[in-house]
Amino acid sequence: DTGVSQDPRHKITKRGQNVTFRCDPISEHNRLYWYRQTLGQGPEFLTYFQNEAQLEKSRLLSDRFSAERPKGSFSTLEIQRTEQGDSAMYLCASSMGTGNTEAFFGQGTRLTVV
Amino acid sequence: GENVEQHPSTLSVQEGDSAVIKCTYSDSASNYFPWYKQELGKRPQLIIDIRSNVGEKKDQRIAVTLNKTAKHFSLHITETQPEDSAVYFCAASLSGSARQLTFGSGTQLTVLP
Repeated sequence: DTGVSQDPRHKITKRGQNVTFRCDPISEHNRLYWYRQTLGQGPEFLTYFQNEAQLEKSRLLSDRFSAERPKGSFSTLEIQRTEQGDSAMYLCASSMGTGNTEAFFGQGTRLTVV
Repeated sequence: GENVEQHPSTLSVQEGDSAVIKCTYSDSASNYFPWYKQELGKRPQLIIDIRSNVGEKKDQRIAVTLNKTAKHFSLHITETQPEDSAVYFCAASLSGSARQLTFGSGTQLTVLP
């Protein structure tokens, strides 16, 4: 499968624990996005990378959230001191640079905080 | 920031009929409007998109129309089939690309055989 892949697919954690998710974009894509989707809602933008540079962050991304894309390839999203309100599907998407606007989404990581 | 409203939240049609989903956006500077289809438990997939310099775009049974003056855009699906059943999301972006998409809340489309 040459699409966007995310790992793990599901994560259950206790409140207060830290979690980290990984996203592997389509190999030639230099843009990478993280979105969060709660049940019955559309995805909400969290952050955007162009290569290794994090260029945009939503106000939704509190200081407990941090994202990295160290070599401009895969990305990680870490949530520290998880809260029940963090329970959601975390979606990663990637796209090529200028000239091609389509964003391809991964299947997401479903986080449940108990 | 941008705000996108989507209607209806649920839509049931008979197989073969047409379905129309409407979205309005708040920021007149938005210039890229994609539509995504999400089947249960699967990833959102782009089905069609339109830029602000175009009023209508068609791809087989799917079409999107854009009214910049009224700040609304619509998805039209003709000759619906059971496999069209899914949640459809509209989105808008200020950047002309997939950066910082603001999504609507989704429409659950059910095509009845």
